[in-house]
Amino acid sequence: DTAVSQTPKYLVTQMGNDKSIKCEQNLGHDTMYWYKQDSKKFLKIMFSYNNKELIINETVPNRFSPKSPDKAHLNLHINSLELGDSAVYFCASSQGGGTTPRPYEQYFGPGTRLTVT
Amino acid sequence: EDQVTQSPEALRLQEGESSSLNCSYTVSGLRGLFWYRQDPGKGPEFLFTLYSAGEEKEKERLKATLTKKESFLHITAPKPEDSATYLCAVQARSGGYNKLIFGAGTRLAVHP
Repeated sequence: DTAVSQTPKYLVTQMGNDKSIKCEQNLGHDTMYWYKQDSKKFLKIMFSYNNKELIINETVPNRFSPKSPDKAHLNLHINSLELGDSAVYFCASSQGGGTTPRPYEQYFGPGTRLTVT
Repeated sequence: EDQVTQSPEALRLQEGESSSLNCSYTVSGLRGLFWYRQDPGKGPEFLFTLYSAGEEKEKERLKATLTKKESFLHITAPKPEDSATYLCAVQARSGGYNKLIFGAGTRLAVHP
């Protein structure tokens, strides 16, 4: 199936730990994203990579570090986890999304629910 | 500041009772407005892209329209399977690059 996939689906960990979330897309897209959806269901962009280059880095603590080994993969590593990091993290991809003026659709993965205790 | 506001926050309908969801936006240089559907425990699912005022898109019981200040998602004769959260997003520029700004969504519940 062509899709955006994420692992793991659920992640429960203690404060202070380091964890990673992985994302893969087989849609042939050149741009990938990480979003955070908090308890109020607000979806907010964190990072965007276009052809493996970081192009958007919103106001996110530097404990969060994305990495894109190739156009089809985007990982998110989180250091020293805090209670406030508990949320659902979504990966998305699109064709275009850098500077193109035309609208581009983003396709989302199933999400990773992170719970920090 | 670029902003997207959706109303109502929640909407309860009887099956067959048509209604509309609203998405109002302020963005410098709209490059596109998107509607997504999100089911509990799942990622947002793309529904429509609207680009210019006056544009309309339809899919089954859903029709999306766009004006210069807002978009509407009309739901005609809804069924229980239309129950979901509907998200609106606008494409805006950030430091020379594009990003989507999402509204908080409208939670729709359709009862038989």
